Amino acid sequence: GQNIDQPTEMTATEGAIVQINCTYQTSGFNGLFWYQQHAGEAPTFLSYNVLDGLEEKGRFSSFLSRSKGYSYLLLKELQMKDSASYLCAVRMRGNEKLTFGTGTRLTIIP
Amino acid sequence: DSGVTQTPKHLITATGQRVTLRCSPRSGDLSVYWYQQSLDQGLQFLIHYYNGEERAKGNILERFSAQQFPDLHSELNLSSLELGDSALYFCASSARTGAYEQYFGPGTRLTVT
Repeated sequence: GQNIDQPTEMTATEGAIVQINCTYQTSGFNGLFWYQQHAGEAPTFLSYNVLDGLEEKGRFSSFLSRSKGYSYLLLKELQMKDSASYLCAVRMRGNEKLTFGTGTRLTIIP
Repeated sequence: DSGVTQTPKHLITATGQRVTLRCSPRSGDLSVYWYQQSLDQGLQFLIHYYNGEERAKGNILERFSAQQFPDLHSELNLSSLELGDSALYFCASSARTGAYEQYFGPGTRLTVT
């Protein structure tokens, strides 16, 4: 089975940087995804990591350590529109389905 | 706009009834995934179809069934509905098996009264 943990809620200040952590336990790991979801809307893809290291995409970066079963999503220059839930999801080898964590609700304050 | 469409957007029905949710994947995508999202459970994988064939099943109840048609659209059938089935149901598609990204539709909000 899989177990994915991420903090339930976080608060950060506009213009600052925030790091959202995700730990997972799974066999046959084949990729970790980050999605953003605004309340009542569809999740939208942010990033994908399958090898160790940092993937940067604009204000968002995602890091993976497979040996530690750990990932983080780094958001820089926070904007009010970044207030949303951030979902960590893991894919296993030989299976295309994604297993999602319960998500981290991020609130940006002025 | 992800390119994935779902109908209806909202659905209100009574316990014991049966409903059908419809999903059209992005043009060219062969894979369709169904997810259920309720307040206390997060996003839960239900089932995956690839080019008309079932590929993987998650914690999908026996009262639920799905299929993917030759034109690649998919339907999720929910029967003998219970109050606990109230949730957002998302469909997602991806271009091929093992593709990196799943694109989610806007969802169908089902309310069972």
